[in-house]
Amino acid sequence: NAGVMQNPRHLVRRRGQEARLRCSPMKGHSHVYWYRQLPEEGLKFMVYLQKENIIDESGMPKERFSAEFPKEGPSILRIQQVVRGDSAAYFCASSPNRIGYFNEKLFFGSGTQLSVL
Amino acid sequence: ELKVEQNPLFLSMQEGKNYTIYCNYSTTSDRLYWYRQDPGKSLESLFVLLSNGAVKQEGRLMASLDTKARLSTLHITAAVHDLSATYFCAVQETSGSRLTFGEGTQLTVNP
Repeated sequence: NAGVMQNPRHLVRRRGQEARLRCSPMKGHSHVYWYRQLPEEGLKFMVYLQKENIIDESGMPKERFSAEFPKEGPSILRIQQVVRGDSAAYFCASSPNRIGYFNEKLFFGSGTQLSVL
Repeated sequence: ELKVEQNPLFLSMQEGKNYTIYCNYSTTSDRLYWYRQDPGKSLESLFVLLSNGAVKQEGRLMASLDTKARLSTLHITAAVHDLSATYFCAVQETSGSRLTFGEGTQLTVNP
């Protein structure tokens, strides 16, 4: 059973370009969470999605950032018109049910390191 | 807003020694997680603590949860070099659907 798959592992963009980060959850998992990690810092929640629905996007910047988790295919985190401050590691995590249901825990992908030049 | 604080943030210790990492949080929660992260890698789940007084042990690591004090500890016994990593605690608010992470404790175990 493959783990959470994220691609690309490394993404380099120039200021003003778009970044698209992909996350395929573990088989059987329909809940996806995106987190951002800045150097020397902990993970900051961005968005929580369940198939075709955004459940909680309270951690997402209001502009330039969007996320989706379509019925078919991976979850996508999209950053438009990237700026240097967007440079970070972006982690996706999945679970079969929402966190808090029984003893569910998050399974994390290897992350995408975004570098904005 | 839920705040999660870990201390120390940096810990350098010798092999064979014992030490404790502390995780304090600011609001009601009955569910706390510990994760390990190696440099450049993803997060690996270590423990899920589900209730007050919960204690879990795996090898040289033992985690406990005191929901009344809003405190969790990760105790390291007779440290070995392989334990060098960054350790994160993460808390789920009682009515929430996401995890809030602490800043992480960067542990270095020296031979």
